[in-house]
Amino acid sequence: GAVVSQHPSWVICKSGTSVKIECRSLDFQATTMFWYRQFPKQSLMLMATSNEGSKATYEQGVEKDKFLINHASLTLSTLTVTSAHPEDSSFYICSATGGRETQYFGPGTRLLVL
Amino acid sequence: AQSVTQLDSHVSVSEGTPVLLRCNYSSSYSPSLFWYVQHPNKGLQLLLKYTSAATLVKGINGFEAEFKKSETSFHLTKPSAHMSDAAEYFCVVSSAGGYQKVTFGIGTKLQVIP
Repeated sequence: GAVVSQHPSWVICKSGTSVKIECRSLDFQATTMFWYRQFPKQSLMLMATSNEGSKATYEQGVEKDKFLINHASLTLSTLTVTSAHPEDSSFYICSATGGRETQYFGPGTRLLVL
Repeated sequence: AQSVTQLDSHVSVSEGTPVLLRCNYSSSYSPSLFWYVQHPNKGLQLLLKYTSAATLVKGINGFEAEFKKSETSFHLTKPSAHMSDAAEYFCVVSSAGGYQKVTFGIGTKLQVIP
């Protein structure tokens, strides 16, 4: 089956620093990748959608200057949390699709900002 | 517009007894429907999906779901619960129409009692 990886799986950083999270589709070409955020005991909230070679489309309420998304190739998308603050601490999950409805999810990245 | 309602936030069953996790949806288009499972501190795993083929869908680990258009439901069932089934389950709808934006239900936490 389709496999999506994320790196790192865990990151702890100081307030004010930037953190980059990578999302890779390992065995298929991902025309579209999605970034989600999950707060404790809550469902996933879509942050943004990115298509390879295009600017990401952000959901309402998501600051695009704070959450920078780059979908540079058909197998890689990155999410950079700029000037992270403790309220940005969360579980970030990416997913990828090769053009059909099914999204394949990465294992997630847990971010803790001190 | 589309939405998903998971009718139970928490379900508790005894090991070896049947599992029923309920999901209702609404969609302006012919929907695709999915069930994902998330174990603690893990990413999401696809259990099964409905994409306008057979209305009874069989998934992994003995789970199955039946698409009932007249009831706008897509309930997840398993004949006999295992301890390893304890996890969070998400019902997801994706509307056909060329854009793979999905909507997640709030999740149902399944507890399996020995």
